[in-house]
Amino acid sequence: DAGVIQSPRHEVTEMGQEVTLRCKPISGHDYLFWYRQTMMRGLELLIYFNNNVPIDDSGMPEDRFSAKMPNASFSTLKIQPSEPRDSAVYFCASSLGYIGDQPQHFGDGTRLSIL
Amino acid sequence: SQQGEEDPQALSIQEGENATMNCSYKTSINNLQWYRQNSGRGLVHLILIRSNEREKHSGRLRVTLDTSKKSSSLLITASRAADTASYFCATDAYNQGGKLIFGQGTELSVKP
Repeated sequence: DAGVIQSPRHEVTEMGQEVTLRCKPISGHDYLFWYRQTMMRGLELLIYFNNNVPIDDSGMPEDRFSAKMPNASFSTLKIQPSEPRDSAVYFCASSLGYIGDQPQHFGDGTRLSIL
Repeated sequence: SQQGEEDPQALSIQEGENATMNCSYKTSINNLQWYRQNSGRGLVHLILIRSNEREKHSGRLRVTLDTSKKSSSLLITASRAADTASYFCATDAYNQGGKLIFGQGTELSVKP
């Protein structure tokens, strides 16, 4: 079975540009999460969706960040405009059922570098 | 704020030895999960232990949970070079609405 698929795997862009990260969750999963991982802050939850509806976006750092889930098989995380401090690895994960007691399945991430 | 903290931050052992990693957390939890992350890859779920459980096993993995001490440990027995990875605990705390809060991880190196 295909796991969580993220694209692109690597993105290098200049400050001020718009960045769009994409995620395809595991089919049938009803929760989708976006995380950011840095050496300094570790793994941080940015936002999560349940049945395509955003439930908690309290981790989104600024208005420059936005996330959408137009259907059950696709989600995007956008940064506009991007800044060097946004450089990190961004992970998408999905799970089935109540989020606290189910395993989350992670994609291999997008390594984002903002110059 | 950080809920789970792993100890040690880094651990280096020889193949065949056992590896023990610890996780401490601050507030009461419903569940605790352990994940592994290989370099350049996403996290992989290893095991989930509920607050009413004290010990769980999965293959060479043994997880314990002591809610009175707010701590958990992950033991990997007879380690292999392929176990080299970072290991994270993640807590589902009462006041977090089901969200998992990840610790900073233990970096395990198993030398052949």
